[in-house]
Formats: sequence, C-alpha cells, structure tokens
Amino acid sequence: SYELTQPLSVSVALGQTARITCGGNNIGSKNVHWYQQKPGQAPVLVIYRDSNRPSGIPERFSGSNSGNTATLTISRAQAGDEADYYCQVWDSSTAGGVFGTGTKVTVL
Amino acid sequence: QVTLRESGPALVKPTQTLTLTCTFSGFSLSTSGMCVSWIRQPPGKALEWLARIDWDDDKYYSTSLKTRLTISKDTSKNQVVLTMTNMDPVDTATYYCARIPGTPDDAFDIWGQGTMVTVSS
Repeated sequence: SYELTQPLSVSVALGQTARITCGGNNIGSKNVHWYQQKPGQAPVLVIYRDSNRPSGIPERFSGSNSGNTATLTISRAQAGDEADYYCQVWDSSTAGGVFGTGTKVTVL
Repeated sequence: QVTLRESGPALVKPTQTLTLTCTFSGFSLSTSGMCVSWIRQPPGKALEWLARIDWDDDKYYSTSLKTRLTISKDTSKNQVVLTMTNMDPVDTATYYCARIPGTPDDAFDIWGQGTMVTVSS
C-alpha cells in the first residue's frame, strides 16, 4: 500500500518560514492535499491539488510537489499556525485515501 | 452553507457493531462528482481514511478494514451511514465524515466536527 512520510515535528521562529515535507514514491505524479488540525478541532483544508489555497486561507500558506517530495510552506509564521499538519493523496491502485504521518509545528 | 454532522453511540462494547450516521446539508450526494468519506483518529495519533461513497453509489474501503466496513447513503435524507463490525478497543477514536466536492481524487474540503467513540466493556 502507498505510504506518506512526514517529519514528526518542525519548529519555526515567529515571523520566519516553516517547511513541512511529505515523502512518497513518485508523489509528484499525484495530487497532494494538506490539512491543518488544531487541538480538539476537526482538520481544515489549507492546500489542495499541490498548490491551491481554498478561500479564507492566508497567502502565507503555499505548496509544491515534485519527484518524491511534496512541501507545505508557511511564510511569516504566526503563533496561530501552531498545529498538526497532514498531507493526503489518493492511491490510484486501491482508490483509497492515504494520510501522512502528521507533523507538529511549533512557533517559537 | 455546507455542513456535516456525525452521530452515533459514544460507547460500544467489544465485538459489537458500530453504526455512525453523517447528516449533511448544503449539497446533494446525487450531484455528479460528489463524494463523502469517513476518516478516524485514535487519541494522539494520525488520521486514518476508512471509506468513501460516490454520487453514483460506487464504494471504496480501507484495504486493512474492508472486511469490517459497510458504507451506504440515503440521498433523500442527506445521510451517509458507516457500519463497522466486531469492534475492538483499538478502534477507539474520533470518527469524522468529510465531503469531496469535485472529482474523486479531490480534497476533503469540509469536515464534520467528529464524534468520539470509545470501545470498552
């Protein structure tokens, strides 16, 4: 089955840039979606199809996808960006959804 | 406004069957391309995709859980139902339903608030 690997945690200084990676075999050929989840809340979509932002998501959130790695970038990080972040794709061989292992972002 | 809300028992005993209902509004599951999925999250752990039902009644399941899962829809009631048989304490989790609005490989754009299910005798 298809697997997605994320770093357990990422720390970023206030106002700086955080990059969260999502590794998967030839992930560049898939559409990657990213979700933000704050404690006690449901996930919220922040990036869809690699690099598109839903309405209401700040421009500080951006995404890219190539080769075996997709990346979510948070620019000018704010305290409110502290959360768990998950990448997600659809496995074409099973038509099943696959989530990454999740990354906890801490803003220092 | 699109909303989804999960409902079901908060506590089930081992070996019992869990039935969860996702009641939604603001869209129709008969619209071409529309899909609804179930996703769960054990306490302190990552999200896990469980199942999906499409507008044309196609159904897809997690390979590791497919023998225990059944997903169905009632378009007239705007509901999607998930049943999971033979519940075990490791199935303790928050269960979410979420919408996929465009094509089946699109993102989960709207999520329900989730419902916590504890499996214990």
